[in-house]
Amino acid sequence: SQTIHQWPATLVQPVGSPLSLECTVEGTSNPNLYWYRQAAGRGLQLLFYSVGIGQISSEVPQNLSASRPQDRQFILSSKKLLLSDSGFYLCACHRAGSAMTEAFFGQGTRLTVV
Amino acid sequence: AQSVTQLDSQVPVFEEAPVELRCNYSSSVSVYLFWYVQYPNQGLQLLLKYLSGSTLVESINGFEAEFNKSQTSFHLRKPSVHISDTAEYFCAVSDLNSGYALNFGKGTSLLVTP
Repeated sequence: SQTIHQWPATLVQPVGSPLSLECTVEGTSNPNLYWYRQAAGRGLQLLFYSVGIGQISSEVPQNLSASRPQDRQFILSSKKLLLSDSGFYLCACHRAGSAMTEAFFGQGTRLTVV
Repeated sequence: AQSVTQLDSQVPVFEEAPVELRCNYSSSVSVYLFWYVQYPNQGLQLLLKYLSGSTLVESINGFEAEFNKSQTSFHLRKPSVHISDTAEYFCAVSDLNSGYALNFGKGTSLLVTP
């Protein structure tokens, strides 16, 4: 099965600073990749998904961007963080082309913008 | 887009008592449903899934969920809970329009007390 590595686990960044969160996947090729955000007291919000290298779809307008430079690498970035960017960020992967499989999740990054 | 609604944000229950966590989904011709569990500051782990076939699905730790098409529900049940079941539980549906990303409910916090 797939294994997702996500880092860092915890991050405290000042407002206006840049951000780069990285996610890598093992155990599968050409996966669909996703970034979710979980804000305090809320469910999980899909931010971006990617069905292939260089292909990024954004679900909500925001201060963040995503890139997929390699098949099993997914990066979440921001040029200038806002306080509202604080939250728990989760990377996930899914076997491409099939809805009949579950998504696998990384351990998450707790981002606090101060 | 397909969606799910979790009707209870918090469910307190005593140890060894039965529990039901409710989830309703938006009606669709084909629907793939999942329950995930999240322990504090961790990623999500798959608990069980409904793809097709038997409407009653079971997990290895005693949880079960029943797919009910007429009531558009996928409620999660356990006949006797343990302290270790205390966690956040998320119902999710696969969204065929977003690269099979999962659309999550807002989550139900299960708190098991002695």
